[in-house]
Amino acid sequence: DTAVSQTPKYLVTQMGNDKSIKCEQNLGHDTMYWYKQDSKKFLKIMFSYNNKELIINETVPNRFSPKSPDKAHLNLHINSLELGDSAVYFCASSPFPGPDNTEAFFGQGTRLTVV
Amino acid sequence: GEDVEQSLFLSVREGDSSVINCTYTDSSSTYLYWYKQEPGAGLQLLTYIFSNMDMKQDQRLTVLLNKKDKHLSLRIADTQTGDSAIYFCAETSGYSTLTFGKGTMLLVSP
Repeated sequence: DTAVSQTPKYLVTQMGNDKSIKCEQNLGHDTMYWYKQDSKKFLKIMFSYNNKELIINETVPNRFSPKSPDKAHLNLHINSLELGDSAVYFCASSPFPGPDNTEAFFGQGTRLTVV
Repeated sequence: GEDVEQSLFLSVREGDSSVINCTYTDSSSTYLYWYKQEPGAGLQLLTYIFSNMDMKQDQRLTVLLNKKDKHLSLRIADTQTGDSAIYFCAETSGYSTLTFGKGTMLLVSP
């Protein structure tokens, strides 16, 4: 069973389109995240949700909107896609937020290519 | 803000030891991690160390932490071609966020 699963794995779309990436975890974790990995492999946190509530929102354009219908799902919707949005997006989950968190499980990533 | 830095590339021969280094700036880091990313795959947690530890050993992996210098290293003994991947150092100190380095590409040649 896949612990953290993202769909789709690959996404190619034109500039200006709106797209969504879905993430689901079956670990019973309370906290979920979205990370962006750019072409230089740098990983940067975008959002974090705990029990469906937004707890971290880094400096991300408001074209990016996370949605958490329940604590097992955290979807990422992106409006008006731009070339610079091309990257691999990773979803992750952890048992709980806070400094005692020792393990975050990551999905396989979604490679988004904007043309 | 917090910063984590790693060298970008390391090449070793099969059977040698690999040492991947990482420095971080946040003195309040509580946990430090090493993740492995194989081509086309997600991030896999390899090991982690609490900030009050100096060393942790897990089979072929040895993690050394110098908290005074804010320096973390990962040693892989008897490196195999299957160890070829990108290795990310990461730290957490606050509310469950992880700050990652840019990753070190390890290339193991036969």
